[in-house]
This record gives sequence, C-alpha cells and structure tokens, in this order.
Amino acid sequence: NAGVIQTPRHKVTGKGQEATLWCEPISGHSAVFWYRQTIVQGLEFLTYFRNQAPIDDSGMPKERFSAQMPNQSHSTLKIQSTQPQDSAVYLCASSLDLKGRGSDYTFGSGTRLLVI
Amino acid sequence: SQWGEENLQALSIQEGEDVTMNCSYKTYTTVVQWYRQKSGKGPAQLILIRSNEREKRSGRLRATLDTSSQSSSLSITGTLATDTAVYFCATDDSGYNKLTFGKGTVLLVSP
Repeated sequence: NAGVIQTPRHKVTGKGQEATLWCEPISGHSAVFWYRQTIVQGLEFLTYFRNQAPIDDSGMPKERFSAQMPNQSHSTLKIQSTQPQDSAVYLCASSLDLKGRGSDYTFGSGTRLLVI
Repeated sequence: SQWGEENLQALSIQEGEDVTMNCSYKTYTTVVQWYRQKSGKGPAQLILIRSNEREKRSGRLRATLDTSSQSSSLSITGTLATDTAVYFCATDDSGYNKLTFGKGTVLLVSP
C-alpha cells in the first residue's frame, strides 16, 4: 500500500498560468477529499468526491478552481490564472467513506504550490 | 488550546516529559480526530474518538472527549524527540468525514 500519492510534490508557476495537481487515492477508497493548507488559514476543506461523483465543493473558490475525478484511481485539482494568494500546500485524502467512521482517513504528502 | 480565532499554539518540552494538548470545538460533531503532521508530510491520523466515548488510548497516546463542554484533549506520555510535530484536532459535522481542523499545536521535544 503506497498510500495516497500526490504529484508533483512541488510546483512553481508564474502569475496567470494554470496549475494542475494530481491525486491517486488508496485503492478501494471511495471517498476523496481535497484540502488547502496555509500558515494563516490553516487546513481548509475544498471539495469531496464519493465514488467519483462530486458531492460537496463548498470550500472551492468559485472562480478559477475546479476539481474532477474521471476514474476511481485519480483526481485532479486545476487552478486557472493562478494568483500569489493561491500559494499553499494542497492536500488530498481518501477513505472508505463509511458514514461517521473515518478511521482510515489517509492524507497524501501534498503538493506545495508557489505562484510568483 | 486550538480552535476559533486562536493562533497556532506552541509547546517546548524535554524528552521524557508528558504533555497534554487541548482542543475546543464550536459545532456538533460525531467524532473528534487527532492528527500529527511532520515537516513535509501530510497529517497522519493518531486517534479517532467518537461522541459516545469519553476516552481512547493508543500506546503512549490518550484522547478524551467532553461533549458537554465541546472539548477534547490529547496526552502523550514519555515524549520522544520523534514526537516533534504539529498536532491538530478535527471534527466532522457533515457525517461524511468532511473535516474542520483546529489551528494546531506545535510540539517541540528536545532530546
């Protein structure tokens, strides 16, 4: 079990460019979550997929951010026209999605995005 | 303690000491999860304590939960230098593991 795999580990983009972040959840986990972590705001929920379907995107900035899960083995988070304030560590997590359980919640190591 | 508008907390102790970190939360939750995050890594779940449990132990870790005061604590006994990390509590009021994290406690354990 390689755990949740996130690529790239580090990404530097110029202001206005697009950034795509990748997440491979643990095989068999039906729930995938994206979080953003900054020093100021801490860990913030972005979006959640269950069995590849988008369930809750209440934490996603409405403009420029989008997430997809085209198959059970990977999810992507895309940021268009990146801005310096998008600089953060983006974390992906997966779990078996047993309601109220969460004992197998596993995070990846994250992608550190720097927008210059 | 963590939560709300509080800043990131920091604790510095010597190896072998015991430590307790506190967390208070604002909304109903079915579960409190405690995580540890080491530099360059994602958070790793340490203990999950459910709303019908008062205490949960795992090795040197002990978590408590008081739903009446909406607070939880994580204690580590006989700390090691490898316990140096940031510790977070997280709650779930969604029922589907959408976690809300506290601000965290930075723990530095010196050898």
